[in-house]
Amino acid sequence: EIVMTQSPTTLSVSPGERATLSCRASQRVSNSLAWYQQKPGQVPRLLIFGASTRATGIPARFSGSGSGTEFTLTISSLQSEDFAVYFCQQYNDWPLTFGGGTKVEIK
Amino acid sequence: QVQLVESGGGVVQSGGSLRLSCAASGFTFSAYGMHWVRQAPGKGLEWVAFIRYDGSNKQYSDSVKGRFTISRDNSKKTVYLQMNSLRDEDTAVYSCAKEYTDHVEYFQHWGQGTLVAVSS
Repeated sequence: EIVMTQSPTTLSVSPGERATLSCRASQRVSNSLAWYQQKPGQVPRLLIFGASTRATGIPARFSGSGSGTEFTLTISSLQSEDFAVYFCQQYNDWPLTFGGGTKVEIK
Repeated sequence: QVQLVESGGGVVQSGGSLRLSCAASGFTFSAYGMHWVRQAPGKGLEWVAFIRYDGSNKQYSDSVKGRFTISRDNSKKTVYLQMNSLRDEDTAVYSCAKEYTDHVEYFQHWGQGTLVAVSS
């Protein structure tokens, strides 16, 4: 099983600042990596697929990078609606696996 | 628009069984693989099971293999999850999700989920 490790667990950021979230895979997953945002009581929202392609309707302040085992989600200038939990997911191999999540909170 | 509506959750005793259903609409159900993903209260996401559009391939997480069975009825546009030998650690909200396309397993569309609570 490919283990996905996200860091940090919690990220405290002020509105308008940049946030950088990391996701590491225990084996290479090529670019088969997705990022999701989840707010309390809501289903996850797809942000990024293919490691760096924004999903439909996702603002340009969200960007993804990386390949192989190291991936990054960057939010260039945090808006109030961006405070949430973010999960990465690999879909290169079975079983599909998610990272444990990074909570982005208001500093 | 794509809609996925789960049902069948509830409270069940440890060792018991439940069958979850996910009714789909807004897309050609018979052309897409479907997944179940769960989330324990206050915890992260855990992928549970997958069934290919025609039922020819099924995959399970190690934590449910041998206890859970995924199936589908394309005529009813519904995917099922039969859960047997339930354990406390199976307590979670179970959501169905549509694959992006064949062999590309990320999730743009999710259902709201149904809560399964296993009591010992």
